[in-house]
Amino acid sequence: QVTLRESGPALVNPTQTLTLTCNFSGFSLTTEGMCVTWIRQPPGKALEWLGFIDWEDDKFYSTSLRARLTISQDTSKNQVVLRMTNMDPADTATYYCARIMHSEYRYGMDVWGQGTTVTVSS
Amino acid sequence: SYELTQPPSVSVSPGQTAKITCSGDTLPTQFTYWYQQKPGQAPVLIIYKDTERPSGIPERFSGSSSGTTVTLTIHGVQAEDEADYHCQSADSSGTGFGGGTKLTVL
Repeated sequence: QVTLRESGPALVNPTQTLTLTCNFSGFSLTTEGMCVTWIRQPPGKALEWLGFIDWEDDKFYSTSLRARLTISQDTSKNQVVLRMTNMDPADTATYYCARIMHSEYRYGMDVWGQGTTVTVSS
Repeated sequence: SYELTQPPSVSVSPGQTAKITCSGDTLPTQFTYWYQQKPGQAPVLIIYKDTERPSGIPERFSGSSSGTTVTLTIHGVQAEDEADYHCQSADSSGTGFGGGTKLTVL
């Protein structure tokens, strides 16, 4: 069974750096075609793609947020970490990680975590 | 570019057919994906590569593509289909989502 679970702080001060962890199981990020992606959703608003990391450890980021984002992985722990610098109240959102399995779904995100809500406020 | 346009809302009576569109200039060259999201829940993939349906997704959900517009069709809408629906397009360098459509079952 494939599962993903996000974890991290629920409250972040403005200008701080947010660090979120995605713990996954049921697949390996070293398997060809596997990716883990991050998406966020501000309250009542649309989904916004942030970036993804693939089986070759290549990273791809949203053009608008590229300067603030870093995605990394720890394959031994089955973890993907998202770091976002200089947090602002506009970054308040539910943050999701999800799997992309190219071989089956191309860029479709077939399994999602439950999401973690992050509020940016002083 | 992943600029995708969806209608904010669509309403349909139970048993009727709902159509939700997603428009974007790059859609003729990119696959589209559709997600269903119910309140307080994560999105669920319901259509991939324009027309394919993951296992476990009811047959009443289908996708089609024509030029710069893709359409999610739900035949025989049920009360449980009331949700937000999001389209997504992607290429090798990234992906993007539409603004989402709230489907109301009257």
